[in-house]
Amino acid sequence: EPEVTQTPSHQVTQMGQEVILRCVPISNHLYFYWYRQILGQKVEFLVSFYNNEISEKSEIFDDQFSVERPDGSNFTLKIRSTKLEDSAMYFCASSEAPSTDTQYFGPGTRLTVL
Amino acid sequence: GQQLNQSPQSMFIQEGEDVSMNCTSSSIFNTWLWYKQDPGEGPVLLIALYKAGELTSNGRLTAQFGITRKDSFLNISASIPSDVGIYFCAGPGTGTASKLTFGTGTRLQVTL
Repeated sequence: EPEVTQTPSHQVTQMGQEVILRCVPISNHLYFYWYRQILGQKVEFLVSFYNNEISEKSEIFDDQFSVERPDGSNFTLKIRSTKLEDSAMYFCASSEAPSTDTQYFGPGTRLTVL
Repeated sequence: GQQLNQSPQSMFIQEGEDVSMNCTSSSIFNTWLWYKQDPGEGPVLLIALYKAGELTSNGRLTAQFGITRKDSFLNISASIPSDVGIYFCAGPGTGTASKLTFGTGTRLQVTL
């Protein structure tokens, strides 16, 4: 069964460093998302991406964040200058269609900012 | 913004018992989704509901889309140890590529 994959599974970084989290969505999906989950809290939407541009972003997704689809298979989330409060699980998701269709989540990348 | 509140927040039950949890929204949803999250993993879709009043089953799981479109219920019958995890309800927004709004979660622990 096709699945969303994410790398690395765990990333440790120093405050102020840049990190890039990588995702390979399901191959025939066209809509891509990043979510994050701070330890013990609910999953929160960060950004959605379609047709090579951001469709929607949350208040969390400020200028420190960017997304890119550098080739036909990868979807990346970059945090330019990490802060302690960026420590969280970051989940990539993809779907065939927007709105009522379902999103399939990757296993997540645990980001720890020291 | 949209808010989804789940209850109970957590529950301890014995293996074999039935479980009920619910999710209420401050606004109307046209789709309800129930996800399960195991520790250290991403959410996995359990059931999707698309119509008000709809009752859908997936094995031992049954979910209902409330008539008001502002709530949904998930029932698990005859719980087993692998049912342990966090259960989230979620609803999609509208727009070109819709975000999912997740509920606060119900943590389920099953004892033998």
